[in-house]
Formats: sequence, C-alpha cells, structure tokens
Amino acid sequence: SQQGEEDPQALSIQEGENATMNCSYKTSINNLQWYRQNSGRGLVHLILIRSNEREKHSGRLRVTLDTSKKSSSLLITASRAADTASYFCATDYNTDKLIFGTGTRLQVFP
Amino acid sequence: EPEVTQTPSHQVTQMGQEVILRCVPISNHLYFYWYRQILGQKVEFLVSFYNNEISEKSEIFDDQFSVERPDGSNFTLKIRSTKLEDSAMYFCASTEGHSGANVLTFGAGSRLTVL
Repeated sequence: SQQGEEDPQALSIQEGENATMNCSYKTSINNLQWYRQNSGRGLVHLILIRSNEREKHSGRLRVTLDTSKKSSSLLITASRAADTASYFCATDYNTDKLIFGTGTRLQVFP
Repeated sequence: EPEVTQTPSHQVTQMGQEVILRCVPISNHLYFYWYRQILGQKVEFLVSFYNNEISEKSEIFDDQFSVERPDGSNFTLKIRSTKLEDSAMYFCASTEGHSGANVLTFGAGSRLTVL
C-alpha cells in the first residue's frame, strides 16, 4: 500500500498550546498536501508544499518537508478549540491521484 | 466561493440494490475524483476521471462500481449491487489540473448506509 502513516493517531491539548502532527510516506513525490476534516464533513485543503521546498507557512500553520526521511510535519501554533478536527497528509506519488494518510485526530480543550 | 455539491447527503438502501451518488464539480475543473471513508477512518481513493474517461482506479473500484459524466455538469458514482461493506461516506472532489500539483476541492459527502 502507498498510504502514508501519521502520528500520533490522536492528540489532546489545551487551547494556546502548539500541536505537532507527523506524516511519513513511502516513495518519491512531487508535492505533499495537508487537509483538515471536521467531524462528518468533507476535507478542506490547508497547505501544499513542493518536493523542493523545506518549509512553508500559512497563518498559524507551519509545514516542513524532509524528502531524505520521507516525512513531513504540520505545526499549529497557539491552538484554539475551533482547530479540533482530523488532519490528513496527502501525497501524489507521481501519479494522477492523491493518497491520504491515516490521519491525526486533534482535540483542543478550551 | 465555488463549491462541489453532492446529493443525497444520506442514503439508506437494502443490500443488493443499486445506488447512484451525484456530484456537481466546480465548473472550470477538469479532473474529478471519488473517495470513500469508512466510519471516520482513512480516506481511500476510488477513481479519477479526466477527459470523459477513467484515468486511474483502485482495487476497491471493481466491476460493481462505475462513474459517468452524463451531461457536462454532473459526475455520478453508481454501485450496481450494494454490499454491507459499501456503507461509508463517499466524497467527490475536483481540481483544475493534475491533483499532485493542484488542490482538491471536496464536497460535503454522501453517507451511504447498506442494510
């Protein structure tokens, strides 16, 4: 299976704390994307990082990519209760489809 | 903001029945996808569709599944004879170009319950 793995599977933190989620993938990629899913809803794109980039920022989100280790991390700084959701990484593996990781369920307590 | 719309939001069917899930992708998008998610778990790729034909499909997408773009706006997923294990959320997505370099826009999903 090409599916990536994310860890942790679940993460619980207090509002104001930082949340870090990791994603590992299997073979070479063009790009890696992160998506968010609120419970029972569709996925929403957060950020795309290209294979020649090492770090990208978007608001309170910071994504890193290490192609030598085939891994990426998503950092959410100063988390809020509204950040409670599942977060998925997705990679293309040089194909015409995105393969999603197993996801991290983030719970932010007020 | 343009969105992908899916209908129905929830469908309950008996095992062995045919089901059609409908999607209206964003109008200027060229690539269309179906994914499924069982019980809030992993999001699994089913099929990609471009230029009126399937460009790629997964092992899940067997002969019981088919896709169609009948009228230039709708994109449908048909399951010919549903099984209990087809119960899942089905998500439609579209993108302007190749999904590796472009962002997928997802619909809110259709929940299928097979009894």
